[in-house]
Amino acid sequence: SAVISQKPSRDICQRGTSLTIQCQVDSQVTMMFWYRQQPGQSLTLIATANQGSEATYESGFVIDKFPISRPNLTFSTLTVSNMSPEDSSIYLCSVEPATEAFFGQGTRLTVV
Amino acid sequence: GENVEQHPSTLSVQEGDSAVIKCTYSDSASNYFPWYKQELGKRPQLIIDIRSNVGEKKDQRIAVTLNKTAKHFSLHITETQPEDSAVYFCAASVSGGYNKLIFGAGTRLAVHP
Repeated sequence: SAVISQKPSRDICQRGTSLTIQCQVDSQVTMMFWYRQQPGQSLTLIATANQGSEATYESGFVIDKFPISRPNLTFSTLTVSNMSPEDSSIYLCSVEPATEAFFGQGTRLTVV
Repeated sequence: GENVEQHPSTLSVQEGDSAVIKCTYSDSASNYFPWYKQELGKRPQLIIDIRSNVGEKKDQRIAVTLNKTAKHFSLHITETQPEDSAVYFCAASVSGGYNKLIFGAGTRLAVHP
């Protein structure tokens, strides 16, 4: 199975700033998925990132707030823009195809 | 839209008892159903999964069953141990893919010695 690496693993950010999270895969994948897990909540899909096209966002998520890049078949970034305390969450990436649906180690973001 | 319902939200059992968590899904095209265990402060870890061409899958003390007709699937943990205490999430694939997932709300399992 693919190995997914995420950076940073955690960060504490000031409100109003932006943070870019990186997701690196050790093999070429068609799609990369970004999820959010708010404190005490389940996981929610933010968007699907395809190489060479605009990301597809789920209801409630917009590109201005969560811009995504997918420059090649092994890498993607998610930016959390103009952060507020409500953005404090764990952000996770996943990939397809893969034999199993597993996640990178996640990025724990705290906005103060 | 697609939806996954998970029950119960909390479950308390005695060590050695069995625990069952149930999920229902709405997307008839769903074909992949993973289960995750999340311990406090850690990322969700895949513990078992099942695909739509299989009705049951077992891995040691953990088993998952799938009823595609009824659109529900269940996680069974036998001989529970205190280290099984965690939050468990079910998920179902959407849009015909595998890893684009909709998650249930989670079940907090407590296993008491």
